[in-house]
Amino acid sequence: AQKVTQAQTEISVVEKEDVTLDCVYETRDTTYYLFWYKQPPSGELVFLIRRNSFDEQNEISGRYSWNFQKSTSSFNFTITASQVVDSAVYFCALSEAPGGSYIPTFGRGTSLIVHP
Amino acid sequence: NAGVMQNPRHLVRRRGQEARLRCSPMKGHSHVYWYRQLPEEGLKFMVYLQKENIIDESGMPKERFSAEFPKEGPSILRIQQVVRGDSAAYFCASSPATGQDNYGYTFGSGTRLTVV
Repeated sequence: AQKVTQAQTEISVVEKEDVTLDCVYETRDTTYYLFWYKQPPSGELVFLIRRNSFDEQNEISGRYSWNFQKSTSSFNFTITASQVVDSAVYFCALSEAPGGSYIPTFGRGTSLIVHP
Repeated sequence: NAGVMQNPRHLVRRRGQEARLRCSPMKGHSHVYWYRQLPEEGLKFMVYLQKENIIDESGMPKERFSAEFPKEGPSILRIQQVVRGDSAAYFCASSPATGQDNYGYTFGSGTRLTVV
């Protein structure tokens, strides 16, 4: 069974601070995908990144970076120089491939509040 | 290329009425996933469908809930005899296919169901 844990329920920072959102996952499969989604106050879900289990390279996209570590089953997300517009709930998700279904399981989310 | 379209955005139903939620996947996507987000919680998987087939409904409540994805037209999530506990945001996601080349799941903006 797959499981995603986002231990941080809420994080509050001041603008321009760096912040890391933790994600720990459990899976028995060797083939799986990890995702991060952003849910701003408007409510929609915005896809941020997908990473497959065979690619442990870290990724950077502007102020966003992701650190994938299979040894610790973690896929952490860092926002550098946070901005008020980064305020949102961030979800980490995992999809396995038992039988090829790839149905994503989501963590409970981390609410990030960036104060001006 | 329009994204995943969900309608209505907001739906208010009295207890005992029926709720019908629609989801039109992205063009070229043949896989649809429905999720429910209860207040202050993450997304819970409900059902996974392909055209004319329910692939996995392990997350669907046993009674009152049904889903379909006909050959023509949108996917429909139907909730009969709604109760207050059904109040939630319902999200639909689509993907082109399962497999190694599966990209991020694209979510619609959700339907917020309120049962009064």
